[in-house]
Amino acid sequence: SQQGEEDPQALSIQEGENATMNCSYKTSINNLQWYRQNSGRGLVHLILIRSNEREKHSGRLRVTLDTSKKSSSLLITASRAADTASYFCATDGRDSSYKLIFGSGTRLLVRP
Amino acid sequence: EAGVTQFPSHSVIEKGQTVTLRCDPISGHDNLYWYRRVMGKEIKFLLHFVKESKQDESGMPNNRFLAERTGGTYSTLKVQPAELEDSGVYFCASSLSGRSYEQYFGPGTRLTVT
Repeated sequence: SQQGEEDPQALSIQEGENATMNCSYKTSINNLQWYRQNSGRGLVHLILIRSNEREKHSGRLRVTLDTSKKSSSLLITASRAADTASYFCATDGRDSSYKLIFGSGTRLLVRP
Repeated sequence: EAGVTQFPSHSVIEKGQTVTLRCDPISGHDNLYWYRRVMGKEIKFLLHFVKESKQDESGMPNNRFLAERTGGTYSTLKVQPAELEDSGVYFCASSLSGRSYEQYFGPGTRLTVT
């Protein structure tokens, strides 16, 4: 299995609902980041949480990090159709901060 | 400020042909990275340049792949000869020195090998 596995693989919700995606990883990390990829476009950085942080907010995004469980969650509140995209978590390790390790992503569909 | 740009956005080639992908990092970013996502799987690291030097090419799948960054500016990734399993999206990213984890990604090049 891979570092940075997301769960679920696919999520379909109604506009206005909240979406929660989870990510698990295996090794010690410096940072954990969440990215979004809209269809046919590049990766857009959403939020970074450091290993000594437990929670971080940015607009409608809320990220938590539990280093004891090696897991993180991304919550998108009051979802919009424009949030439809694939979401990836990425970690960088203590011994190779330049090498981001991505999971396979969660495909989010927000139905209008 | 211009972001990371990649060219072409999409390339369709036949098995056995050669393709060269180009990446222009953000101006002033010494670090440049290549990643790829194959068949809807996870995005995987290919290699890392610091200026013109390859720091880590441990993710390069085989010797059919050659990356260069002459002059420490733009980078090219050549696949020769291309195989079917090389199909996927190739991403380039760049970052400032000392902030290697803060990588800015380009839009990617979608490579289709038929």
